[in-house]
Amino acid sequence: QVQLQESGPGLVKPSQTLSLTCTVSGGSISSGDYYWSWIRQPPGKGLEWIGYIYYSGSTYYNPSLKSRVTISVDTSKNQFSLKLSSVTAADTAVYYCARDSVEMATKFDPWGQGTLVTVSS
Amino acid sequence: QSVLTQPPSASGTPGQRVTISCSGSSSNIGSNTVNWYQQLPGTAPKLLIYSNNQRPSGVPDRFSGSKSGTSASLAISGLQSEDEADYYCAAWDDSLNGGVFGGGTKLTVL
Repeated sequence: QVQLQESGPGLVKPSQTLSLTCTVSGGSISSGDYYWSWIRQPPGKGLEWIGYIYYSGSTYYNPSLKSRVTISVDTSKNQFSLKLSSVTAADTAVYYCARDSVEMATKFDPWGQGTLVTVSS
Repeated sequence: QSVLTQPPSASGTPGQRVTISCSGSSSNIGSNTVNWYQQLPGTAPKLLIYSNNQRPSGVPDRFSGSKSGTSASLAISGLQSEDEADYYCAAWDDSLNGGVFGGGTKLTVL
């Protein structure tokens, strides 16, 4: 059974870069059947798709975040990562990683438990 | 402002049937499948319905989904107290070339 786990700093200063890693266990990130996604949820608000990466390194990003987002993959560690630059308080959110289906986009399953990242000085 | 439109709230009494709508456009729901998620308080979202009307293993058949044109619906029959949660629809948007979510519907079991 595939499981995902986010890790990274819980506090980031304004204007700095948010960096998170998602570790995949119970399955290979190199499976050609899946995209590996990041999704976030500001406190008390709804879900926002950030982007995803294929094991080959191909990426798709939310157009509203594209200029600040980089998603990368490390198949040797079965991990993928998120970097979000020039953060502001508006980037404070619970960040989730999730597996998406190549055949059915936005079929996110499973999800990580999520990690709260607060942007504050 | 979410690309997909959901009512912010819905409610029902135990045993009732409730429906939650999700309205989109030709570039998202109109041309791609819809997925639904249930988010219980303090937990990560969980896939509830995929490909418009398919239930993952373990999801009770009280939950059902449908799609018509540029709208989709989630129906919950035999409402139970443990169904109290936030529900989100999602779809791919061909114009934005990205995934989009509805704003979420908070379901209250009275």
